[in-house]
Amino acid sequence: EIVMTQSPATLSVSPGERATLSCRASQSVSNYLSWYQQKPGQAPRLLIYDASTRATGIPARFSGSGSGTDFTLTISSLQSADFAVYYCQQYNSWPLTFGGGTKVEIK
Amino acid sequence: QVQLVQSGAEVKRPGASVKVSCKASGYIFTSTYLHWVRQAPGQGLEWMGIINPDGGTTYYKQKFQGRVTLTRDTSSSTVYMELSGLRSEDTAVYYCAKEGGEYWGQGTLVTVSS
Repeated sequence: EIVMTQSPATLSVSPGERATLSCRASQSVSNYLSWYQQKPGQAPRLLIYDASTRATGIPARFSGSGSGTDFTLTISSLQSADFAVYYCQQYNSWPLTFGGGTKVEIK
Repeated sequence: QVQLVQSGAEVKRPGASVKVSCKASGYIFTSTYLHWVRQAPGQGLEWMGIINPDGGTTYYKQKFQGRVTLTRDTSSSTVYMELSGLRSEDTAVYYCAKEGGEYWGQGTLVTVSS
């Protein structure tokens, strides 16, 4: 099973600032990596797939990069709607696995 | 439009079983896999398994082997997740999700309590 490790666990950011979230895989997942946003009481929302492709309707301030074992989600200018928990997920091999999440909170 | 609509919340005793349904609409049911993911209160996301509605083949995370069964009914475009031998640690919101991750059910809270 591929272990996904996200850092930091919590990120305190002021609105308008840039946020950089990291995700590391225990072995290569090529570019088979998604990012999700989740708010309390809601299902996860797909932001990025294939490591760097924005899902339908996702604003351009969200961008993903990386391949192999190291990945980054960048939110260029945080807006109030962006304060949430973010998860990475690999789908290179079964079982699919998620990272533990990064909570982006208001500084 | 694509929709996944899950059955309602359940409360079960330890040792019991629960069966959660996920009804798909807005796309060809047999064209794509469906996943099941759960989330314990205040915790992260945990992938449980996957079913191919075209043929019914399944794959389960080893942790759930022997306790989880995914089935489908093509006549109603519905997949089912049955979890047996429930324990308190199985208290969670259970989600179905369409392959690709863009569409999720609304979640079903399963509470296991004596």
